[in-house]
Amino acid sequence: DTEVTQTPKHLVMGMTNKKSLKCEQHMGHRAMYWYKQKAKKPPELMFVYSYEKLSINESVPSRFSPECPNSSLLNLHLHALQPEDSALYLCASSQKGGDYNEQFFGPGTRLTVL
Amino acid sequence: SQQGEEDPQALSIQEGENATMNCSYKTSINNLQWYRQNSGRGLVHLILIRSNEREKHSGRLRVTLDTSKKSSSLLITASRAADTASYFCATFAQGGSEKLVFGKGMKLTVNP
Repeated sequence: DTEVTQTPKHLVMGMTNKKSLKCEQHMGHRAMYWYKQKAKKPPELMFVYSYEKLSINESVPSRFSPECPNSSLLNLHLHALQPEDSALYLCASSQKGGDYNEQFFGPGTRLTVL
Repeated sequence: SQQGEEDPQALSIQEGENATMNCSYKTSINNLQWYRQNSGRGLVHLILIRSNEREKHSGRLRVTLDTSKKSSSLLITASRAADTASYFCATFAQGGSEKLVFGKGMKLTVNP
């Protein structure tokens, strides 16, 4: 299995809602990433997990809360989001953190905050 | 912050023609990678070139790297309509950072 899966594909939520994005990979990768991508912009790194530990937080607001329950799963918990948080959220994985190798991306979750 | 800058930002060509995209970056790098993104979905890794390499080929792709000019180019030969996508260069800065930084991206349209 050489793919990263993300659910849901689309999510519409109000500013008071709590929701979660999920990401899964079964390639045995030990590094997992969350990126945010606005329309016609490049992906921007949000968080890096390496061996299930948070290794990079790019000063992301606390309304975004990542979680790595095990080496195959990565969640992004969302609470009290703002309309400007509407974007494509991409999950990626790589063999291990700090190895500078290619990253494998999921198809993304298109998030709309009303 | 964005490390790479692709040039041109948009390119429209006919099927069968070659497409060249350029990328410039600012800091010393460990390697430079190119990714493709179709219609705002996930990115697909195309090719990786290390800082001590000057040229690399993969199928119809040819990548060059000039570390003295801090620039790279991606050549797609004999383009197909299916090559229509956005292309991004991305770099890992030297020094142990796990952060992959993407350039602004370039939209390639291949007309049948």
